[in-house]
Amino acid sequence: EDQVTQSPEALRLQEGESSSLNCSYTVSGLRGLFWYRQDPGKGPEFLFTLYSAGEEKEKERLKATLTKKESFLHITAPKPEDSATYLCAVQPGGYNKLIFGAGTRLAVHP
Amino acid sequence: DVKVTQSSRYLVKRTGEKVFLECVQDMDHENMFWYRQDPGLGLRLIYFSYDVKMKEKGDIPEGYSVSREKKERFSLILESASTNQTSMYLCASSQDRGLTGELFFGEGSRLTVL
Repeated sequence: EDQVTQSPEALRLQEGESSSLNCSYTVSGLRGLFWYRQDPGKGPEFLFTLYSAGEEKEKERLKATLTKKESFLHITAPKPEDSATYLCAVQPGGYNKLIFGAGTRLAVHP
Repeated sequence: DVKVTQSSRYLVKRTGEKVFLECVQDMDHENMFWYRQDPGLGLRLIYFSYDVKMKEKGDIPEGYSVSREKKERFSLILESASTNQTSMYLCASSQDRGLTGELFFGEGSRLTVL
């Protein structure tokens, strides 16, 4: 069964304290892996697409990486405005639907 | 910028009522989706559409129907609302039919069924 698991469920960081969020997946083939950011009371906002193992994407303090079994979202020197829920989703091969993880709630304190 | 607009941010309905959730996108996207989001469960796909008057069931279609009469508009209908349909409903659109993961979401409609 296709599955996406994100960990930890919640993460509290001090401003400037770098860390990583994990997204592990079990799918039959992988067409793409996607990261989204969701602020409270709002819809998710697209961040990155990763297609194959070894690929990396960066945007400001965020860097996403991909292996054959998992993806990491690395946050370098986070700021309070990085506080949000980060969602991971995968699109299995031959399948035009996404499977979402439950998300990681990140809180960055000054 | 792509804009996906959901007609109602907050709704309170009674059990058995018929509920309409409207969604409009302004970027001529081919694909439109309805998800529901519940704590600890992630986003779950209810229905999606690749073209006008076309619809396909997602993972949890029971109790819902949809309508896509125009390319820019995708409506979600709860024929007879029940308390277990209390949730956040999110509409999304995307352009690429083959790779549907780069989605643009609306702000969401939080539905409470009493």
